[in-house]
Amino acid sequence: DAGITQSPRYKITETGRQVTLMCHQTWSHSYMFWYRQDLGHGLRLIYYSAAADITDKGEVPDGYVVSRSKTENFPLTLESATRSQTSVYFCASSANRDRGRFFGPGTRLTVL
Amino acid sequence: SQKIEQNSEALNIQEGKTATLTCNYTNYSPAYLQWYRQDPGRGPVFLLLIRENEKEKRKERLKVTFDTTLKQSLFHITASQPADSATYLCALPHAGNMLTFGGGTRLMVKP
Repeated sequence: DAGITQSPRYKITETGRQVTLMCHQTWSHSYMFWYRQDLGHGLRLIYYSAAADITDKGEVPDGYVVSRSKTENFPLTLESATRSQTSVYFCASSANRDRGRFFGPGTRLTVL
Repeated sequence: SQKIEQNSEALNIQEGKTATLTCNYTNYSPAYLQWYRQDPGRGPVFLLLIRENEKEKRKERLKVTFDTTLKQSLFHITASQPADSATYLCALPHAGNMLTFGGGTRLMVKP
């Protein structure tokens, strides 16, 4: 199916474990983004990528690592999960930086 | 500091009326502004982009205005329907590639 997909949709993990959230888009969009959404904070940008092998920090990058070896994939890794990283994570893509973002369905992550 | 303000209280209106949502911002000089819709449990959906040199933009029943002097955007839904019930987010660019979102306003359209 065309579009942007995220996996898993739900994940429960424990403090200190490494977790990787996957994001895949079929539009060949140059830009990809990771956001987290929390009550009281809204959507906040974690990392973004302007093209394959180019990534940059957003507003809240600490504790997260990203890579982009292929245009269509943009995985987000929590190297050592903490309870404060319990959140809903959205991946998004766009053709250009000043175009609308197309969001995936989200991953609900719970860190116990 | 930069700030985007949307009314955090839900807006309740009757079906058929026009809904008007407000997005105010400070310490931004955005080249454009975007509006999104978000339904519970789902990702935001891009609706409209309006540029700084555009005063108004329309798409079907949606109308967006952008006043860079007042630092405000208004989002109107005419002939509102219960299916329009959702949270609406405005977003502004900053620092090149980043897009910052407001907290959103929840719209409830009652039949």
